[in-house]
Amino acid sequence: ELKVEQNPLFLSMQEGKNYTIYCNYSTTSDRLYWYRQDPGKSLESLFVLLSNGAVKQEGRLMASLDTKARLSTLHITAAVHDLSATYFCAVGGGGSQGNLIFGKGTKLSVKP
Amino acid sequence: DTAVSQTPKYLVTQMGNDKSIKCEQNLGHDTMYWYKQDSKKFLKIMFSYNNKELIINETVPNRFSPKSPDKAHLNLHINSLELGDSAVYFCASSQDWRNQPQHFGDGTRLSIL
Repeated sequence: ELKVEQNPLFLSMQEGKNYTIYCNYSTTSDRLYWYRQDPGKSLESLFVLLSNGAVKQEGRLMASLDTKARLSTLHITAAVHDLSATYFCAVGGGGSQGNLIFGKGTKLSVKP
Repeated sequence: DTAVSQTPKYLVTQMGNDKSIKCEQNLGHDTMYWYKQDSKKFLKIMFSYNNKELIINETVPNRFSPKSPDKAHLNLHINSLELGDSAVYFCASSQDWRNQPQHFGDGTRLSIL
């Protein structure tokens, strides 16, 4: 059974600092997604990572995937308050079509 | 234009009632999903339909019944609501289940009194 673990689950950081969120998964998968959720809102797709070594960047966020280590990272550079949200990684499950297993989310709070 | 729309946004009802949540997507996607997000923000898939065919049916009480009249709609009917059903239910869709991200609706917050 595929399990997805994110850490940390809570992250409080100051503006201007860098930090990394980690997403580990337990069985082989070649599909990994990062989503952002603002309080009371829907989930917004940030990155789609489909191959080993994939790296994608958007603004202050950069995501990478190491399928051999079963690890994805979401790196935050020079954080700003607008990045405060909950970030989820989701991994494509092996069997059923489209089955995504979500991590528990990392609640990020960026303080001035 | 809203890509994935759910109605209602809020649903407050009493235990034992039956209720439905509707979902429509105008993206031309083939696959639609229902997720449940609990009070701890944990997201879990419930059902998935591909071109009106059920392809994922996770361990969900049979009080929950999805219906897909066409590939643009996936509704969720819940019978005999229980306190534990209180959650936010998200509908999502994707073009290609393998390589594309899922696009989520705004969610329906269900509260059982």
